[in-house]
Amino acid sequence: AQKVTQAQTEISVVEKEDVTLDCVYETRDTTYYLFWYKQPPSGELVFLIRRNSFDEQNEISGRYSWNFQKSTSSFNFTITASQVVDSAVYFCALIYGNKLVFGAGTILRVKS
Amino acid sequence: DAGVIQSPRHEVTEMGQEVTLRCKPISGHNSLFWYRQTMMRGLELLIYFNNNVPIDDSGMPEDRFSAKMPNASFSTLKIQPSEPRDSAVYFCASSDRLLQQFFGPGTRLTVL
Repeated sequence: AQKVTQAQTEISVVEKEDVTLDCVYETRDTTYYLFWYKQPPSGELVFLIRRNSFDEQNEISGRYSWNFQKSTSSFNFTITASQVVDSAVYFCALIYGNKLVFGAGTILRVKS
Repeated sequence: DAGVIQSPRHEVTEMGQEVTLRCKPISGHNSLFWYRQTMMRGLELLIYFNNNVPIDDSGMPEDRFSAKMPNASFSTLKIQPSEPRDSAVYFCASSDRLLQQFFGPGTRLTVL
């Protein structure tokens, strides 16, 4: 079965702190894709990153970085020097066939 | 370039009424997806189309829900008759062969 688990329901940090959002996935496929989406208070879903199962290199984009480890079936997301604008719900997702299977999401609250 | 367009953005209706949600995918995308987001169930896929053909409707809750895609630039999701438990945010998304799904702004449906 395809499953994505985001064990952290809610995280609160103070601005400028680093924060890591955890994502653990289950799949029987040998080729798969993982995603992170951001849902700010305005409600839209914003694509952040796609990673395929053959590429285990960590990725960095500005203050965002992602750590993909097949050995532990994890695809964690770190925000460095968090800002208030980072406050949102973050979803990890797995492609199954052509369908996205989402985790339950992690609410991130960044306080000034 | 315009993103995925959904209308209406908000819909309030009374139980028993018919509701039609509309979606215009990104031009050139060959797959279209309808998702529902609720607090209890999170983000769940209802149905998706590939080249205007419904591929998987296993997520459609019941016969009251139906979806069509008469052409590459338009899709509808209809609920008839609507019930209070259908209240949710409904997202439409489209993707190309790269599997990255782009989401519309969503339609917030309230059934009284």
